[in-house]
Amino acid sequence: EIVLTQSPATLSLSPGERATLSCRASQSVSSYLAWYQQKPGQAPRLLIYDASNRATGIPARFSGSGSGTDFTLTISSLEPEDFAVYYCQQRGIWPLTFGGGTKVEIK
Amino acid sequence: EVQLLESGGGLVQPGGSLRLSCAASGFLFSSYAMSWVRQAPGKGLEWVSVISGSGGGTNYADSVKGRFTISRDDSKSTLYLQMNSLTAEDTAIYYCAKGAGATRHHFDHWGQGTLVTVSS
Repeated sequence: EIVLTQSPATLSLSPGERATLSCRASQSVSSYLAWYQQKPGQAPRLLIYDASNRATGIPARFSGSGSGTDFTLTISSLEPEDFAVYYCQQRGIWPLTFGGGTKVEIK
Repeated sequence: EVQLLESGGGLVQPGGSLRLSCAASGFLFSSYAMSWVRQAPGKGLEWVSVISGSGGGTNYADSVKGRFTISRDDSKSTLYLQMNSLTAEDTAIYYCAKGAGATRHHFDHWGQGTLVTVSS
């Protein structure tokens, strides 16, 4: 099973700052990595798929990069609505797995 | 507009069974793989099971293999999850999630979830 390790567990930032979230896979998943945002009491929302493609309706301040085992989600300038938990998910090798999440909180 | 509406959750005793349903609309249901993803209270996301478009192949997480069965009725645009031999570790919100394609197993739409509580 592919283990996805997200870091940091918590990121404390202010609105307008840049957020950089990491997801590391225990073995290569090629570019088959997605990122999701989840707010309290809501279902997850797809942000990025296949490492670097923004999903429909996702603002340009969200970007993804990486391949193989190391991936990054960048939020260029945090908006108030961006404070949430972010998960990565790989579809390169069965079973599908998610990372443990990074909480982006207001500093 | 894509909509996914789960139902069937509730309180069940350990060792019991429950069947979840997910009614889909707004897309050609038969063409897409569908998954169940769960989230234990205060925890992260865990993929549970997938079924290919048109009821082809299925796959399961090791934690549920042999106890859960995923199925679909394309004529009703409905996804199911039959859960047997439930334990406290199965307590979670269960989300129905639409795959981005027949074989593209990331999830572009999610339902709001149904809560399953396993307790005596």
